[in-house]
Amino acid sequence: QVQLVQSGSEVKRPGSSVKVSCQVSGGTFNNSVISWVRQAPGQGLEWMGGVMPIFRAPIYAQKFQGRVTISADESTSTAYMELRSLSSRDTAVFYCTRGPTRFFYDTTGFYLPTSEYFQNWGQGTLLIVSS
Amino acid sequence: EVVLTQSPGTLSLSPGDRATLSCRASQSVSTSCLAWYQQKPGQAPRLLIYAASSRATGIPDRFSGSGSGTDFTLTISRLEPEDFGLYFCHQSDSSPFTFGPGTKVDIK
Repeated sequence: QVQLVQSGSEVKRPGSSVKVSCQVSGGTFNNSVISWVRQAPGQGLEWMGGVMPIFRAPIYAQKFQGRVTISADESTSTAYMELRSLSSRDTAVFYCTRGPTRFFYDTTGFYLPTSEYFQNWGQGTLLIVSS
Repeated sequence: EVVLTQSPGTLSLSPGDRATLSCRASQSVSTSCLAWYQQKPGQAPRLLIYAASSRATGIPDRFSGSGSGTDFTLTISRLEPEDFGLYFCHQSDSSPFTFGPGTKVDIK
């Protein structure tokens, strides 16, 4: 049974950075895609990006490009999401997710991996950004 | 960007009622790339339906999905008390992968 266990809640100052971890157990880590989804208080779900460890190159939603880094450590089956230049608008719960892999062509013609759907979810990590 | 619009925003129903939730996409989405999730307060979303009409493991058969192109539907044939919550549709056909704003199913 696949389990995703995330790091604990964080409180950060505006302008700082946060790095959230997601340890995966019970499944194949290297050839699956770990994605990150943000949910602001009382709001909907927002895909941020994902990484397939064996593929190495992460993909990002344009909205977060330049401010987020998603990475994976194969030796510990752990994925990471780092978000920089935090503001109060980043106060949210962040989820890591995993699902079956499919490949798609992005707008620049690259053939990239993503999750076809999100089958497994972490418990969520609450980030509060406040001065 | 594919915009997903869900309706209604809120559905007030009683246990035993039939619930019909709609998800409309701003452009055609492959049926293999459309999924539905349920979320309850304080919990992570749970996968209900993938590939538009396939039930995820452990999901009761009162949940069913249908549709193609730009119009998709999630139907709950007879609402149970544990079915009340928030429901999202999601597309993984075109990046950025997007979610609908959700339909809240609450007790009448």
